[in-house]
Amino acid sequence: AQSVTQPDARVTVSEGASLQLRCKYSSSVTPYLFWYVQYPRQGLQLLLKYYSGDPVVQGVNGFEAEFSKSNSSFHLRKASVHWSDSAVYFCAGANTGKLTFGHGTILRVHP
Amino acid sequence: EAAVTQSPRSKVAVTGGKVTLSCHQTNNHDYMYWYRQDTGHGLRLIHYSYVADSTEKGDIPDGYKASRPSQENFSLILELASLSQTAVYFCASSDWGGSSYEQYFGPGTRLTVL
Repeated sequence: AQSVTQPDARVTVSEGASLQLRCKYSSSVTPYLFWYVQYPRQGLQLLLKYYSGDPVVQGVNGFEAEFSKSNSSFHLRKASVHWSDSAVYFCAGANTGKLTFGHGTILRVHP
Repeated sequence: EAAVTQSPRSKVAVTGGKVTLSCHQTNNHDYMYWYRQDTGHGLRLIHYSYVADSTEKGDIPDGYKASRPSQENFSLILELASLSQTAVYFCASSDWGGSSYEQYFGPGTRLTVL
């Protein structure tokens, strides 16, 4: 069975700082991987996705993620965060028509 | 623009009562899903469907039923609502195996069972 782990429940950074949110996945086959963002009292919005090919994928609003098969990881990065990036970020994996979500990381950006 | 809508957006129900949450998608997607979100648990899959008139159990189906009367509509039914079912419920749709594998989410329904 597939599992997705986000080891950091909360991350706090200052505006303008760089960001990395960690995600580890466990699967017997290379899954399809996603990062979603959830703003307060809203649904989930897709930030980026990885299916195959170039391990670094670009997403919306300056986010990118790097897939590593050797480390079973799909970490999310941003070079310079803005206060409006404060939200909950979910990593998810899928390989049988269903998504398995991590528990989410709450990101707080100090203005 | 892909669209998934949910109704109602919020609901207060009494313990033991029946609750029906509705989801409608205009994406022409075959797959539809129901998740619940609890603090600290991320999203957990309750039921899903990949074709009309058929539903499948997800990871936490106990206490829930689902109905898919058409490609566009997918309902989640709580026959006997319980306090533990207080949560936010999200519907999603996907074109799995077609043009992409991502899921598109609705805005959520906040259910409070008293």
